[in-house]
Amino acid sequence: AQSVSQHNHHVILSEAASLELGCNYSYGGTVNLFWYVQYPGQHLQLLLKYFSGDPLVKGIKGFEAEFIKSKFSFNLRKPSVQWSDTAEYFCALISNDYKLSFGAGTTVTVRA
Amino acid sequence: GAGVSQSPSNKVTEKGKDVELRCDPISGHTALYWYRQRLGQGLEFLIYFQGNSAPDKSGLPSDRFSAERTGESVSTLTIQRTQQEDSAVYLCASSLGRQGYEQYFGPGTRLTVT
Repeated sequence: AQSVSQHNHHVILSEAASLELGCNYSYGGTVNLFWYVQYPGQHLQLLLKYFSGDPLVKGIKGFEAEFIKSKFSFNLRKPSVQWSDTAEYFCALISNDYKLSFGAGTTVTVRA
Repeated sequence: GAGVSQSPSNKVTEKGKDVELRCDPISGHTALYWYRQRLGQGLEFLIYFQGNSAPDKSGLPSDRFSAERTGESVSTLTIQRTQQEDSAVYLCASSLGRQGYEQYFGPGTRLTVT
């Protein structure tokens, strides 16, 4: 069975700090990987996705993620965070072509 | 264009009552998904529709849960004889197709069973 684990439950940063959120997955087949974000009071939005090709994918709002197949990882990064990046971040993978399996999420708090 | 919409946004119900949650997917999206998010946990897959058929109901927690979809449109998730452990945010998502398409999420319905 597939699973996604996120290493950090809550991350607190100051503005302009760099952010890296860990994500590891367990799945025996071809993976499609995603990072979703949920800003306070809003619904889940897609940050970025990896289906194939270049393992370094760029998403919205300056986020990027790197797929490292040998490490079963898909870590999310942003070089310099802003207060508006305060949100909950979810790593997910698609299995069976449609079923999204989510990690437990990481709450990111950016202090001004 | 309009995104995925869900109603109601909040529902408080007494234990033992039935509830019906509604999802309106993005027009043209053939695939529809229901997920559940309990407090402090990630999303749990409940059910997947391709058109109005549900090839995967494996995530439904018990036979108190059922879902239907009319064509490639509205879906309803019904929970009968609600229990306190059913309290959660129920999320609906839709996508253009099954394979290789991102899922767009609605705002969710927050269900509280008292």
